[in-house]
Formats: sequence, C-alpha cells, structure tokens
Amino acid sequence: EAGVAQSPRYKIIEKRQSVAFWCNPISGHATLYWYQQILGQGPKLLIQFQNNGVVDDSQLPKDRFSAERLKGVDSTLKIQPAKLEDSAVYLCASSRQGDQPQHFGDGTRLSIL
Amino acid sequence: TQLLEQSPQFLSIQEGENLTVYCNSSSVFSSLQWYRQEPGEGPVLLVTVVTGGEVKKLKRLTFQFGDARKDSSLHITAAQTGDTGLYLCAGQRGTSYGKLTFGQGTILTVHP
Repeated sequence: EAGVAQSPRYKIIEKRQSVAFWCNPISGHATLYWYQQILGQGPKLLIQFQNNGVVDDSQLPKDRFSAERLKGVDSTLKIQPAKLEDSAVYLCASSRQGDQPQHFGDGTRLSIL
Repeated sequence: TQLLEQSPQFLSIQEGENLTVYCNSSSVFSSLQWYRQEPGEGPVLLVTVVTGGEVKKLKRLTFQFGDARKDSSLHITAAQTGDTGLYLCAGQRGTSYGKLTFGQGTILTVHP
C-alpha cells in the first residue's frame, strides 16, 4: 500500500510570511496527526483528526497555526504569520483508528529566514 | 517538562559492540513504542510493548517494558553500521486515544 504522502519536502520562507503543508494519509486511515519536530527533539503532536473532526489540538498555537481535514481524507496545515521558532520538520502520520499503529510521512522541512 | 526522558542523548560506538538506550518517566503508560528515524525520513515503528515486564525481540534488538509501565529499554547486540539513526520512544496513556508523547531521542552512530 502507498505510504503517507507529504508535500512540499522543503520550504524556505521569511518570517511573517505564510506557508501551507499538505498531507495525504494511507487509504482507509481514519485518524490523521500533524507533528512538529524541532532539530534535536522528538516529534510533538500539534493536532489529531478522527475523520474530519478534531480530537486533540491542545498543543496547536492557534494564533498562527491552523489545520483542516474537510473531507476526512487529505489535510493541510497552515502557518500565518511564521516566526523564526517555527523552523522545524512537520510530520504527518495516519492510523486506521486512534489506537492503531501510526505510519509517518517523510515530512516537510521548513526554514524561516 | 519532558514527560519521557531518554538516555543517553548521543551514542557513538564501534561495529560489534552492544548498547542499551533507556526511556524513563514518572507517568504510567498503557503502551510504549520504539521508533527509528533516519535523516530526511519519518519515524518507522519498531515495536509496541503493552504489558508490564514484557520483553520483545526483533533480531538483534531486545525491548523491555518496566514492571510498573513507567520505563523501557532498547538493547542492541553486536551493532552494525546499518543501525545508525535516531531512536525514539513514545508513550500512549490510557485515555489519550492514540496521542503519543515522544522522548527527545537517542542519536546512535555505529562506526565501521
């Protein structure tokens, strides 16, 4: 089966600009996750969707980050405006259901200048 | 505050040596997972342990879940250069429905 697809792989923007990331989960996976992985740290969960509903967004900086999964399949994560501390790899993962193993995409590496 | 503490943060060894990575917490987890991540790729699940005291083996890798389900260890026997990578532990708490809390990772470098 095809894995989790993410695009773009790399993005370089200046601070205060906007950026969006896209994720297409494994077919049939109801649960989708967005993680932020800062260099030298483990991934931190930003938001978890179950189909098109939000299960957990407690660690999402809602003043600048937003995410949607309108049709319960693919998802976008947006940052507006970006700050220097947002430089990180943004990972998307999916699972059949919330308590099933998570499969990760290769991530988008974001650099803020 | 890091909920899951991994040690050591960095490990540099020669091929053929043995090593152990530790993952400790003051919290109880319903399950604990170990991942391996290579540069430019996402984490790949190695194993899930769910029962206190459980031991699982994956070829040269041995995973153990503490009796109290607060800690875990990963032991690699006769390390190979292909074992090089970032090893992450991640815990799931009983009510979290899939939410994983990751440790900060252990960067392992195996030299030929």
